[in-house]
Amino acid sequence: DQQVKQNSPSLSVQEGRISILNCDYTNSMFDYFLWYKKYPAEGPTFLISISSIKDKNEDGRFTVFLNKSAKHLSLHIVPSQPGDSAVYFCAATPWTPLVFGKGTRLSVIA
Amino acid sequence: NAGVTQTPKFQVLKTGQSMTLQCAQDMNHNSMYWYRQDPGMGLRLIYYSASEGTTDKGEVPNGYNVSRLNKREFSLRLESAAPSQTSVYFCAVRTQSNTEAFFGQGTRLTVV
Repeated sequence: DQQVKQNSPSLSVQEGRISILNCDYTNSMFDYFLWYKKYPAEGPTFLISISSIKDKNEDGRFTVFLNKSAKHLSLHIVPSQPGDSAVYFCAATPWTPLVFGKGTRLSVIA
Repeated sequence: NAGVTQTPKFQVLKTGQSMTLQCAQDMNHNSMYWYRQDPGMGLRLIYYSASEGTTDKGEVPNGYNVSRLNKREFSLRLESAAPSQTSVYFCAVRTQSNTEAFFGQGTRLTVV
């Protein structure tokens, strides 16, 4: 039973356009959400997070939106760059372990 | 400042062999985790240690054991490796709830 779902295994976007990655969760106890980026042969690296008391958090080109009533969050990357091509994982936590989704592979085409 | 260090980076085992994956941190974080990553499966939690002296099972603990040796080190042991344990293993550390976790570079394990 997946508690964190990323329903799109892959996404292709043209350079300069917006990338939107989606994530749904089922556990209403989750109160902190994170996005990680992973390049091949490297460990995941933290990208951006949001607390359940907020509905938006921005960091440069990256914005995360949280819709608690829909149990949905999304990551927006604007503008997308070729270096953004990676696998993106959504994660959530109510307590110590992070629960991850299966990931979405983003390809930014020049 | 190395952060989270995993050893070895690569390993090939024969079915039935045993080995220990090592993880050490210099970040002074309380919680440590072992995840495995398989194609199409994301990151699945094997075991975690919320603090020194405690360990708990995660989503996929069967076939593994762990030891939280001290605050810095958290090892993962495969007593009798199976081909189903072929995976990339990641160690992560975290200081408390509502913060990010920091990952090591991973150990790529192949069991033949």
